[in-house]
Amino acid sequence: DAMVIQNPRYQVTQFGKPVTLSCSQTLNHNVMYWYQQKSSQAPKLLFHYYDKDFNNEADTPDNFQSRRPNTSFCFLDIRSPGLGDAAMYLCATSRDATVSNQPQHFGDGTRLSIL
Amino acid sequence: AQKITQTQPGMFVQEKEAVTLDCTYDTSDQSYGLFWYKQPSSGEMIFLIYQGSYDEQNATEGRYSLNFQKARKSANLVISASQLGDSAMYFCAMLFTGGGNKLTFGTGTQLKVEL
Repeated sequence: DAMVIQNPRYQVTQFGKPVTLSCSQTLNHNVMYWYQQKSSQAPKLLFHYYDKDFNNEADTPDNFQSRRPNTSFCFLDIRSPGLGDAAMYLCATSRDATVSNQPQHFGDGTRLSIL
Repeated sequence: AQKITQTQPGMFVQEKEAVTLDCTYDTSDQSYGLFWYKQPSSGEMIFLIYQGSYDEQNATEGRYSLNFQKARKSANLVISASQLGDSAMYFCAMLFTGGGNKLTFGTGTQLKVEL
């Protein structure tokens, strides 16, 4: 049973047209993360929520926003996608953000293409 | 700052053989966790194995084992009895207490299992 679910699996949008990617989890984990992964690279953390507290990475562009309306759901909004935003977007969860022995559990990812 | 180094961009192994994927890390923290993830071409990130910095025994999970040498700051993944389905990208990652549970990833090793 999938525990971190990302929809859709593939998303195509037009240059400059806002797009929203969604993530849900059945693990009841406190922390939810969004990563961007470009081809042949390691995932890059964009931001994460610890409960309702939003934590943005310093180098995440303003074009990327996130919402977490409840424990189960988290959204990634790209306000004006550029060609450079084409990537795999991975959502992950973990139970706690204060200890180092908690693995992050990833969804299957959403592969975003920009036309 | 934490850093993970994976020096093998690509590895080949024959089916049923064992293979070691290298990972070294750099941190001044005493409490940290080391993780290995597998990412098939379909994109999902699969958690394989965890080793805590204070664990005295090497971690094992089925065909996966972690050769942890703390003094050398290495955490190599050993896959025994390789299978065709093991062909994937493998990432070594680290997180440390107090770091907001942020994973630092290595650059990955692409493993190809051959007949």
